[in-house]
Amino acid sequence: GQNIDQPTEMTATEGAIVQINCTYQTSGFNGLFWYQQHAGEAPTFLSYNVLDGLEEKGRFSSFLSRSKGYSYLLLKELQMKDSASYLCAVWGNDYKLSFGAGTTVTVRA
Amino acid sequence: IAGITQAPTSQILAAGRRMTLRCTQDMRHNAMYWYRQDLGLGLRLIHYSNTAGTTGKGEVPDGYSVSRANTDDFPLTLASAVPSQTSVYFCASSDSGGGSYNEQFFGPGTRLTVL
Repeated sequence: GQNIDQPTEMTATEGAIVQINCTYQTSGFNGLFWYQQHAGEAPTFLSYNVLDGLEEKGRFSSFLSRSKGYSYLLLKELQMKDSASYLCAVWGNDYKLSFGAGTTVTVRA
Repeated sequence: IAGITQAPTSQILAAGRRMTLRCTQDMRHNAMYWYRQDLGLGLRLIHYSNTAGTTGKGEVPDGYSVSRANTDDFPLTLASAVPSQTSVYFCASSDSGGGSYNEQFFGPGTRLTVL
């Protein structure tokens, strides 16, 4: 089975940095994804990590530590449009995605 | 068609009725998936198909069936809807299915209410 935990909600100020943590206990591991989902819309792909370390993509970065079963998504220079849910998902041994419940980030002016 | 589409956008259905949610992709992806999304539970996999002609059960398959007659279409059927199937349903596809990484692309979703 898969157990994926992430905080339910986070609030931050425009221009600030927010770090969304994700811990997982899964039967096998073939990579970890982060998706962004705006209210009422479909999830869209943000990042994929399969090796330990930091992957940077513009204002967004994602980190993975396989030995600790831990990942984080770092959002820098927050903008109002970054208000959304952020979904952590693990690609397990069965090559299917298992999702966490998502973290709702609210960016305030 | 561009990407992945779903129909209907939303539906209110009486309990006990049969309903088919449609999903079509034009990206020639081999793998397709159906998820339901409920508040506080995140996305849960219902059924999947790694390639045309094959299907498999996900985490919450009971009460649902799928078919994959061709690459593009992956309909989800509720044979006899129950109120607990009230949810938002997302179809997704990816150019993978058995080993190589590729992200999943999601359709816009179908909001289903069963009364």
